[in-house]
Amino acid sequence: NAGVTQTPKFQVLKTGQSMTLQCAQDMNHNSMYWYRQDPGMGLRLIYYSASEGTTDKGEVPNGYNVSRLNKREFSLRLESAAPSQTSVYFCASSGIAGRHSDTQYFGPGTRLTVL
Amino acid sequence: SQQGEEDPQALSIQEGENATMNCSYKTSINNLQWYRQNSGRGLVHLILIRSNEREKHSGRLRVTLDTSKKSSSLLITASRAADTASYFCATGSGNTPLVFGKGTRLSVIA
Repeated sequence: NAGVTQTPKFQVLKTGQSMTLQCAQDMNHNSMYWYRQDPGMGLRLIYYSASEGTTDKGEVPNGYNVSRLNKREFSLRLESAAPSQTSVYFCASSGIAGRHSDTQYFGPGTRLTVL
Repeated sequence: SQQGEEDPQALSIQEGENATMNCSYKTSINNLQWYRQNSGRGLVHLILIRSNEREKHSGRLRVTLDTSKKSSSLLITASRAADTASYFCATGSGNTPLVFGKGTRLSVIA
């Protein structure tokens, strides 16, 4: 079991470029999440998906879009990257559909720098 | 907006000492969880305590929860250098996603 995997591990973009961060889990979990982590700010929720086919906005969704491709995969897209989106991005998953208070399992993160 | 707030922001202790960090929150919860994050890595779940529990143990970890004060503490006994990490509390409330605090950075000096 790989758990939660994220690609790429590192990425440098220029302002205005687009990219997609990929996340996959092999634990047959229903719920998946995207967070960003900035120094001194803790984790902030960008988007989440309670189950395949559903997505919801979190605390900081502006500038991002998501796709729940299937039960395993949840991608995060930056359509036009801005320096303010420089951050470390984490994907997480949890077991029961819609029961978001369950334990979450995290991927290793993607370090994104926007110049 | 953050629900849980950890205190202190940073803590430095000698190996073998106990480390205590606290978490305060604002609204009613179903459970409270503690996670560890080693530098440059993803978060790892440590322990979950439900709102009807007052204390829980797991190895060298002891967690308490006081719902009347809306606070929790995480005690790591006999700290080791490998315990050096950031520790986050997260509150779970019904069908809304977990809300994480800003974390406590623990340094254990050998």
